[in-house]
Amino acid sequence: DAGITQSPRHKVTETGTPVTLRCHQTENHRYMYWYRQDPGHGLRLIHYSYGVKDTDKGEVSDGYSVSRSKTEDFLLTLESATSSQTSVYFCANNRTGNTGELFFGEGSRLTVL
Amino acid sequence: KNEVEQSPQNLTAQEGEFITINCSYSVGISALHWLQQHPGGGIVSLFMLSSGKKKHGRLIATINIQEKHSSLHITASHPRDSAVYICAVSMRDDKIIFGKGTRLHILP
Repeated sequence: DAGITQSPRHKVTETGTPVTLRCHQTENHRYMYWYRQDPGHGLRLIHYSYGVKDTDKGEVSDGYSVSRSKTEDFLLTLESATSSQTSVYFCANNRTGNTGELFFGEGSRLTVL
Repeated sequence: KNEVEQSPQNLTAQEGEFITINCSYSVGISALHWLQQHPGGGIVSLFMLSSGKKKHGRLIATINIQEKHSSLHITASHPRDSAVYICAVSMRDDKIIFGKGTRLHILP
């Protein structure tokens, strides 16, 4: 357990509104990730961070932005939510990047009407 | 681009059976992960391995780096093992690629 909490856990919003999901960790792991999980797909990487203010895009980054102003928080923002962004979002972290064990948050279910 | 393929996609078995789930990937990796997700639940890490074999209770994970293949075995399966099992690979650029998962259902 790497002490990851996500908020909100559930959110319903309307198309065109901004949405921010928060991922908070207590273990100060260097690497943090945002994924989305959809039926028929594996977990797909949206963005990840390898340190404070250091972020990079994943395979499905269009329409999403992230920020990491301190080690413990990694924010995912949908500037203008669309129905295609209805999904379950998972935050994960690990200590050492490509050789570290993965720890996941509980997930955030987002519905965009 | 690395692809991660799992088989089977779905598996139903009787309690007590020996279960094998397979994972193949296409390029070199730093590590391979096996994860478990219960219905409506979060995702937990079962194993991370880069060579050989690991065992935890009734679960065994193996990896063959040369063949780019890993297996997850469950001995004496139990209904509480019913879950989605996910294979993921850590790339050398720090990204992690996931398979689509294997849905396991163990009947009492």
